[in-house]
Formats: sequence, C-alpha cells, structure tokens
Amino acid sequence: GAGVSQSPSNKVTEKGKDVELRCDPISGHTALYWYRQRLGQGLEFLIYFQGNSAPDKSGLPSDRFSAERTGESVSTLTIQRTQQEDSAVYLCASSFRGYNEQFFGPGTRLTVL
Amino acid sequence: QKEVEQNSGPLSVPEGAIASLNCTYSDRGSQSFFWYRQYSGKSPELIMSIYSNGDKEDGRFTAQLNKASQYVSLLIRDSQPSDSATYLCAVNKGRGSTLGRLYFGRGTQLTVWP
Repeated sequence: GAGVSQSPSNKVTEKGKDVELRCDPISGHTALYWYRQRLGQGLEFLIYFQGNSAPDKSGLPSDRFSAERTGESVSTLTIQRTQQEDSAVYLCASSFRGYNEQFFGPGTRLTVL
Repeated sequence: QKEVEQNSGPLSVPEGAIASLNCTYSDRGSQSFFWYRQYSGKSPELIMSIYSNGDKEDGRFTAQLNKASQYVSLLIRDSQPSDSATYLCAVNKGRGSTLGRLYFGRGTQLTVWP
C-alpha cells in the first residue's frame, strides 16, 4: 500500500514568513509523529498524535511551531515567523499504534533565507 | 547523559565482511528498539525491530538486545556496498507521556568498500 506522503518536498522561504508542511500517514495508522533533522544532526522529536488523545507537544522548540491533525488523517505543521535556524528536513512518520514501528515519509526540506 | 548513544564511526568494512553497529540507552525501562538505515539525502528506513532479550534475525541482518546491559546491536553479514549508509538506533520507552516518541542516536556511518 501507499507509504507516508509529505508535501511540499522542498520549500524555500524568506525569514519572517509563515510556512505550512503537510503529512498524509499510512491508511489505518492511528499515530503520527513529526521530527526535525538539521544538516549533519540526529533526529529531533517535535510532536506526536495518537488517535483523539491530546497530542504530546513536548518537543516543539518554540511557540512559533504548531501542528494539527484531523482525526486519524492528514496533519499540518505550521512554523510562524520563520528563522534561519528553522532550516532543516522535517520528517513525518506514522505507526499503527503509539509503540509500534514507525514509518517515515520522504520529508520536506525547508530552507529559510 | 544522552538517551541513546551510538559509536559515531565512521565504520569501514570490506565487501563480504560482518559489520557490527552498537547502541546503548539510558532508560532501563525502555520497551522497544529499532534500527533504521538512512541513505544520504533520504529519510530513515526501518530495517529491524526488537522487543525482547536475545537475537532476532532477518536475512543478512541480526539485531541483538541485552536489557540488563542496556545495549542493542546490529550485525550485517556479507556486507555489500549498497549497505553503505548511516544506521540509526532508536528507542521507545513505551510508557506514560513518552509512549509514542522515539529517541534516536546520532547514527553510525557505515562504508562497505568493494
């Protein structure tokens, strides 16, 4: 079946602009995660959605970052007033449940000029 | 102390050799353990999961877990140049508020030379 999809694949924006990144999880997966990977760095957890439970937002680096998910489908990650340090690859993953294997999408490469 | 630590490498082995990748974790109560492969410029790809002590084999890959030592390893037998990638160790604590998130190591870069 189809894997996790993300859009756009690349996004170039100017400092101070807002951006929206989209993730479409694997059908039937109730859990959805966002991670960030800066160049040459490890993966950094951002946020986790599990069904209709309150999301785990503990990894969001500042209040400029927010994410939403409608039911068990698409999620959007929004970064307001982007800064150059936000430049990274933003990865979305989904799993059947919260403690199961996570499958990653191709990522969105964000460049803030 | 970092949640998950890996040999930073790089690790270089000849084609046909066994590559051994190691990982330690700090939370003794961790429940699930994963190895991901990440090619340059690509997203992580799940290659192994292991949940209980001992060995788990899948083709040329063997994952080993020792919860008493808080240690996870990945062995790649008959290494091929196509195995050249960064290998990420990930741990899920599997409980409470951290139920879903994975804690990742920095990765070990493996090069298999012909």
